[in-house]
Amino acid sequence: GAGVSQSPRYKVAKRGQDVALRCDPISGHVSLFWYQQALGQGPEFLTYFQNEAQLDKSGLPSDRFFAERPEGSVSTLKIQRTQQEDSAVYLCASSLDRAGDSYEQYFGPGTRLTVT
Amino acid sequence: AQKVTQAQTEISVVEKEDVTLDCVYETRDTTYYLFWYKQPPSGELVFLIRRNSFDEQNEISGRYSWNFQKSTSSFNFTITASQVVDSAVYFCALSEAIANFGNEKLTFGTGTRLTIIP
Repeated sequence: GAGVSQSPRYKVAKRGQDVALRCDPISGHVSLFWYQQALGQGPEFLTYFQNEAQLDKSGLPSDRFFAERPEGSVSTLKIQRTQQEDSAVYLCASSLDRAGDSYEQYFGPGTRLTVT
Repeated sequence: AQKVTQAQTEISVVEKEDVTLDCVYETRDTTYYLFWYKQPPSGELVFLIRRNSFDEQNEISGRYSWNFQKSTSSFNFTITASQVVDSAVYFCALSEAIANFGNEKLTFGTGTRLTIIP
């Protein structure tokens, strides 16, 4: 498909486990965002990549959260030593860069993380 | 700090009725963008509209229309002749520029759950 894909769609982790969430952006999209959406809330910004450079990580809630995009395409959000408060849907979005003159962010279906 | 308020948590209307979803925002930026997204049960956010802060013209797209009023910091969304397929959670969002990098991160409201009753 041509859209943003995320895997897994659902993840159950025991408290203290590490998890890795994957995002495949739309081909050619330079910008990639991660958002966290708690139940009944709107998405909240976590971090932003432009190609492989992580230019803004101001939304990461703690140093247990780590994101990477080593080749400027696929991105992984890693959460170490998961806690119950990490339970949420993690959304990935991609967009063209400024040269593409489009700021529309295309969202993936999200990964629902449940920490037990 | 930026903030988006969607005071209506849930709205239910009978099919074919018109419905307006309210959005009020706060920002110190002079240039900003406002958005509406639809989130159906599948969970994927669907882009509906992006509006520049300098353009206060109302916009209509089919059954959808948007009313942007800077004087009241509002960006309301109206669906006319609602249909069951319009049932979803709708989010209003405000962009914030990421330094000089030319891209924007979004601040979302808490959403309004719209249910269209057949």
